[in-house]
Amino acid sequence: EDQVTQSPEALRLQEGESSSLNCSYTVSGLRGLFWYRQDPGKGPEFLFTLYSAGEEKEKERLKATLTKKESFLHITAPKPEDSATYLCAVRAGNNRKLIWGLGTSLAVNP
Amino acid sequence: EPEVTQTPSHQVTQMGQEVILRCVPISNHLYFYWYRQILGQKVEFLVSFYNNEISEKSEIFDDQFSVERPDGSNFTLKIRSTKLEDSAMYFCASSVGQGLETQYFGPGTRLLVL
Repeated sequence: EDQVTQSPEALRLQEGESSSLNCSYTVSGLRGLFWYRQDPGKGPEFLFTLYSAGEEKEKERLKATLTKKESFLHITAPKPEDSATYLCAVRAGNNRKLIWGLGTSLAVNP
Repeated sequence: EPEVTQTPSHQVTQMGQEVILRCVPISNHLYFYWYRQILGQKVEFLVSFYNNEISEKSEIFDDQFSVERPDGSNFTLKIRSTKLEDSAMYFCASSVGQGLETQYFGPGTRLLVL
């Protein structure tokens, strides 16, 4: 069964303290891995799409990487406004549906 | 920047009533989706829609659910007879398709069934 697991469930950082979030997946025929940010009561906001192992994408303080089994979202020198839930989702096989992880709730203290 | 919009933002209904959730996808997108998120749980896929027909649906999307694209801009999700367990955030999403697979999400409709 296709599955996505994110860790840790929650992470608290001090402003400027870099860290990484993990998304491990078990799917048949990965067609894309997606990172989204979700603020409370809001819809998922697109961050990155990764298609193949070795691929990296970067945007401001965020960098996403992909291997054959997992993806990491690296946050460099985070700011309080980076506080949110970060969701990972995958698309597999011929399906268009996204399969989601539970997310990592990130809190960045000033 | 184009975005997906959804109305209403909140809906409260009585069990057994019908609700219609509305979405306006991004204008040049070809694929449309509905997902839901029960509080504290994972986002769950409901249905995808392409070329005026359902292309994929989950086990959740039973006969109580239907989708429609009544005109060139709106995409709706109807729940015929709501149940308590239908209470959730419902998200509409759209994607260009044609190899560009990123799905862009709307702000959601919070549905509460009493």
